[in-house]
Amino acid sequence: SQTIHQWPATLVQPVGSPLSLECTVEGTSNPNLYWYRQAAGRGLQLLFYSVGIGQISSEVPQNLSASRPQDRQFILSSKKLLLSDSGFYLCAWSVGGQRSYEQYFGPGTRLTVT
Amino acid sequence: AQKITQTQPGMFVQEKEAVTLDCTYDTSDQSYGLFWYKQPSSGEMIFLIYQGSYDEQNATEGRYSLNFQKARKSANLVISASQLGDSAMYFCAMYKVFGNEKLTFGTGTRLTIIP
Repeated sequence: SQTIHQWPATLVQPVGSPLSLECTVEGTSNPNLYWYRQAAGRGLQLLFYSVGIGQISSEVPQNLSASRPQDRQFILSSKKLLLSDSGFYLCAWSVGGQRSYEQYFGPGTRLTVT
Repeated sequence: AQKITQTQPGMFVQEKEAVTLDCTYDTSDQSYGLFWYKQPSSGEMIFLIYQGSYDEQNATEGRYSLNFQKARKSANLVISASQLGDSAMYFCAMYKVFGNEKLTFGTGTRLTIIP
């Protein structure tokens, strides 16, 4: 069966510090991968999605970036965090190579920028 | 552009009663999909139900059913015989079939089941 992991579960970082959040998927090959952010009490906002290694599409211009160094690994990064980067970050995957609609979400990372 | 509207920020429902969570959408596309996700306090997003724009029958999954009214562009979630464990945030989302692979989410409804 497929599983999705996110690390770390919670993170408190000062303004201006770097960020690296990791997402890994097991049990599937060539998945589509997604990063979402959820601000407190709000819906999900798509940040990045990837249909393959090295293929990243950005939905919202910001100081965040994403990379996909391996087929089942998706990393969200920042060189300098802003207060507005605080939120709940969710990684998701869907079956790649076809028009698959169902996305499976990871447990999330709660980021607080102080 | 696609847009999802959930007008109920919060709802309180007595246990064992049925509840309807509203969702309206706006799109110019002919082929799309509509979803409902549940987010308990743990934060994880749990897929509940899916309805394709060309599906003639309303989708059902156990106690969940989707009341799809295409002409009115609404996709309400109905939960029958609510349980305490149904207390959570519920998000409606839309998927564009012939577009890039992403979901557009509504702002959510917080459902609280009262014992």
